[in-house]
Amino acid sequence: GAVVSQHPSWVICKSGTSVKIECRSLDFQATTMFWYRQFPKQSLMLMATSNEGSKATYEQGVEKDKFLINHASLTLSTLTVTSAHPEDSSFYICSARRSGKGNEQFFGPGTRLTVL
Amino acid sequence: AQTVTQSQPEMSVQEAETVTLSCTYDTSESDYYLFWYKQPPSRQMILVIRQEAYKQQNATENRFSVNFQKAAKSFSLKISDSQLGDAAMYFCAYYTGTASKLTFGTGTRLQVTL
Repeated sequence: GAVVSQHPSWVICKSGTSVKIECRSLDFQATTMFWYRQFPKQSLMLMATSNEGSKATYEQGVEKDKFLINHASLTLSTLTVTSAHPEDSSFYICSARRSGKGNEQFFGPGTRLTVL
Repeated sequence: AQTVTQSQPEMSVQEAETVTLSCTYDTSESDYYLFWYKQPPSRQMILVIRQEAYKQQNATENRFSVNFQKAAKSFSLKISDSQLGDAAMYFCAYYTGTASKLTFGTGTRLQVTL
């Protein structure tokens, strides 16, 4: 149990286009999901916390108009990178916290975004 | 703000030997949780072990155990009988209900040699 999927696993797009990444909890309900960004050989950097049915909470320095987060259901959160540029190229990871199960988070396999 | 420090960017261990990865953290909270996550080359984050701060007993999971020193704010991971599959990045992480989010250390890359 406690599986989190991400789609797509990798994406290449042209500069100026928007890209949507989906994060799904497959066998549990997640009231809270998290989006991280990871640069090569670095740690995970939290971008935002997504709560079902409410606006996401963004970390300091993360542009909320650039990285749109929607958590429309208890099993799905999406991250849309708007008007992507090469500097947005990175590895994006989501995680989901199981409802009523304390603080354990389950991580998705990540999405590699390359902006040309 | 809470910080997590992993002072060993890289470690190496021979197969079947034991290795200890270090982690220290800074917090003013009394109730919190500590985690070790493994990130293999696939980049899938895998929970290795967790420790509740209110528990004095060190957590163990098969070949993995921790040395939790609350007063010293230290949380090291010991891997016994190392296997080739243990080669990965290891991240120490801290969680408190106040912040409701994980804070990760910078990671330690573990190599396992024959």
